[in-house]
Amino acid sequence: GENVEQHPSTLSVQEGDSAVIKCTYSDSASNYFPWYKQELGKGPQLIIDIRSNVGEKKDQRIAVTLNKTAKHFSLHITETQPEDSAVYFCAASSNNNDMRFGAGTRLTVKP
Amino acid sequence: NAGVTQTPKFQVLKTGQSMTLQCAQDMNHNSMYWYRQDPGMGLRLIYYSASEGTTDKGEVPNGYNVSRLNKREFSLRLESAAPSQTSVYFCASSGGQGEQPQHFGDGTRLSIL
Repeated sequence: GENVEQHPSTLSVQEGDSAVIKCTYSDSASNYFPWYKQELGKGPQLIIDIRSNVGEKKDQRIAVTLNKTAKHFSLHITETQPEDSAVYFCAASSNNNDMRFGAGTRLTVKP
Repeated sequence: NAGVTQTPKFQVLKTGQSMTLQCAQDMNHNSMYWYRQDPGMGLRLIYYSASEGTTDKGEVPNGYNVSRLNKREFSLRLESAAPSQTSVYFCASSGGQGEQPQHFGDGTRLSIL
């Protein structure tokens, strides 16, 4: 089955700096790669996703890149703000019952 | 618009007790999911329902049962709770049949003593 590894487990940046979180996956059949943001005491919130027929997707300050050959994908957050502080999860799947999540990255943005 | 609503928010059980976690969505979504989240790990799929009347096992189904009562509601039952089932449980939904989860509830924090 799919195995997703996520790095780093914790990340601390100064407000205004960029943050990058990286994930690798093992199953070459995976074709859907979402990213979720989870705030304390809340459920995960889908913030951006990418499918395997696209190499990059951007939505305002967040972007995701996908390298299918190397089986890795990354989340980029630019101009970070304190409200970006949360735990971020990557995931990979080829259908609705095999999605595997990374272990999460705790991002802290210092004012 | 409430989205995905889970009840209860917190629960403490003794080993061997049973309970049902409730989940309801008001977005007319077809697919619903139950996940568990343990410290240092990502979410793991317990069961899912691609449409009303169907349910399928996920990655970690042992010790759980589910019921898709109608299109809105998807419940998770622990028949005989074990300490290993101490976790945070999340329900999720998505619009299309067989789509990956898009909307999550805020979780049920379950402790089994």
